[in-house]
Amino acid sequence: EDQVTQSPEALRLQEGESSSLNCSYTVSGLRGLFWYRQDPGKGPEFLFTLYSAGEEKEKERLKATLTKKESFLHITAPKPEDSATYLCAVLFGNEKLTFGTGTRLTIIP
Amino acid sequence: GAVVSQHPSWVICKSGTSVKIECRSLDFQATTMFWYRQFPKQSLMLMATSNEGSKATYEQGVEKDKFLINHASLTLSTLTVTSAHPEDSSFYICSASRDRVYQPQHFGDGTRLSIL
Repeated sequence: EDQVTQSPEALRLQEGESSSLNCSYTVSGLRGLFWYRQDPGKGPEFLFTLYSAGEEKEKERLKATLTKKESFLHITAPKPEDSATYLCAVLFGNEKLTFGTGTRLTIIP
Repeated sequence: GAVVSQHPSWVICKSGTSVKIECRSLDFQATTMFWYRQFPKQSLMLMATSNEGSKATYEQGVEKDKFLINHASLTLSTLTVTSAHPEDSSFYICSASRDRVYQPQHFGDGTRLSIL
């Protein structure tokens, strides 16, 4: 069964303290990997799509990378407004998005 | 671009009531729309996939007679929870995509459904 695992489950950082979030998946015909940000009581907000190993995407303080078995979301010098749950979702050969359980990120001023 | 509007955002109703939730893509045509359910501190679980003009495809374990989905146009899909009971209380989220596979899904802000 295709699975998506995110770690850590929760992460608290001081403002300006850079770190990385991990998303690992079992391989079964990866067709795309998506990162989303979800604020409490809201739907996920699209951040990045990655399609092949070695691909990288950047947006402001966020950078997403992809290997054959995992993806990282790097956050550089985060600010309190970056606090949210970050979700990873993988599109496998069955054409359905499988979501991880997310990493709850808290940035402390 | 890629804005998805979901309405209503919050519903509280009595057991036995049917509730309709609307999902609209405001600035693009959505070939495919998806309905998810999310429990507290859990991830999104796909309920069904719908393509404009055709019947929805339901995931295993999702009752199609309980959760009626209509995708009448390229910008509108509706989910009707029929004869809702307290166990149907949850956060329902729709998403829309320009195509079924390669384009990202864009999500609405969800509907919090509470059945008393």
